[in-house]
Amino acid sequence: DGGITQSPKYLFRKEGQNVTLSCEQNLNHDAMYWYRQDPGQGLRLIYYSQIVNDFQKGDIAEGYSVSREKKESFPLTVTSAQKNPTAFYLCASSVSFKLSGAGSYEQYFGPGTRLTVT
Amino acid sequence: DAKTTQPTSMDCAEGRAANLPCNHSTISGNEYVYWYRQIHSQGPQYIIHGLKNNETNEMASLIITEDRKSSTLILPHATLRDTAVYYCIVRAYGGSQGNLIFGKGTKLSVKP
Repeated sequence: DGGITQSPKYLFRKEGQNVTLSCEQNLNHDAMYWYRQDPGQGLRLIYYSQIVNDFQKGDIAEGYSVSREKKESFPLTVTSAQKNPTAFYLCASSVSFKLSGAGSYEQYFGPGTRLTVT
Repeated sequence: DAKTTQPTSMDCAEGRAANLPCNHSTISGNEYVYWYRQIHSQGPQYIIHGLKNNETNEMASLIITEDRKSSTLILPHATLRDTAVYYCIVRAYGGSQGNLIFGKGTKLSVKP
């Protein structure tokens, strides 16, 4: 089945440790995104990538880093510099809005990773 | 991107139509209206989108007013599994960033 996988579903870390969240897609999408969601809130964009080996900061990139070495994969590292890392992290992908020329597009989301840092 | 306003919460009886309103009075001519929903502790799911014509798919119908300042998502026969937070998002064609801006949405509770 085509889709986006995120692992693990739940992750626990001690404060001061870096942690990497996995995101893989087999939809052949060029664009991938990382969002953060806090309880009762909407989603906020951390990083996005329109093509392999290229990515851009979103609205809340501080304390996070990403890589995009393969089209299928867009891992997110939550570093010790992130002040409030406990949150629900969502990965998404879509047809590249710049490459496709499409008038509209939809994003496909993974099931999310709930990170708890104590 | 234009801002959207949605009610915080709504209830609907199982089997009845759920009508979820969204106000987007500052929408521009090149902006689409998207609807997503998020079932508790899952990733958001795309439902439908439109520009100015009404749209229908297997999940829902989208009614956009003629002046495009508001829209309504209709779930024709709501089931308990439709209980979720519904997000109305306005997004321009193209643009530099490509992400969708999710507000707090409407929490729909479908009751037996």
